[in-house]
Amino acid sequence: SQTIHQWPATLVQPVGSPLSLECTVEGTSNPNLYWYRQAAGRGLQLLFYSVGIGQISSEVPQNLSASRPQDRQFILSSKKLLLSDSGFYLCAVDSAYEQYFGPGTRLTVT
Amino acid sequence: AQSVAQPEDQVNVAEGNPLTVKCTYSVSGNPYLFWYVQYPNRGLQFLLKYITGDNLVKGSYGFEAEFNKSQTSFHLKKPSALVSDSALYFCAVSLGRTGFQKLVFGTGTRLLVSP
Repeated sequence: SQTIHQWPATLVQPVGSPLSLECTVEGTSNPNLYWYRQAAGRGLQLLFYSVGIGQISSEVPQNLSASRPQDRQFILSSKKLLLSDSGFYLCAVDSAYEQYFGPGTRLTVT
Repeated sequence: AQSVAQPEDQVNVAEGNPLTVKCTYSVSGNPYLFWYVQYPNRGLQFLLKYITGDNLVKGSYGFEAEFNKSQTSFHLKKPSALVSDSALYFCAVSLGRTGFQKLVFGTGTRLLVSP
């Protein structure tokens, strides 16, 4: 079974600073990977997904970008954070018909 | 386009009573339907899914859900609620391709089970 790691668990960053969130997956190869954002403790919005190394699809135009430098590594980045980037960021991986989620990163932009 | 509606922001139930969390969906084609649970500051945990077959699906922690195609619903149920079931519940739908699931989530329903 897969294990999903997300780092860091929490982050407080000032407006205008850069961002890098990391997701790594164990127990599978060539996974489909996803980044979601959950704002205000409610609905999840799909931000990016990746079906392979270097292959990134964006769902919502925004201040963020994603990269997949290795098979089981998925990175979410920003050059300059906005207040609206605050939220709970979740990485997910496909497993057959299901998606499994990592523990999440709580980002607060001040 | 796919969409999911969870009409109740919050459901309150007493421990030991049955619970229902409602979900309706809209999708072109045959849906794959999912329920997830989220505890505070945690990731989502998979509860159960409907892919095909029996309309009544059993999942983790005693939860079950019934797929109703005519009413486009997939309500989550449990015969006897526990205080520890208190959490945020999400319904999700996908178009059902294996290996690549573009899930669309509802807005979530907070379940509060009182002792």
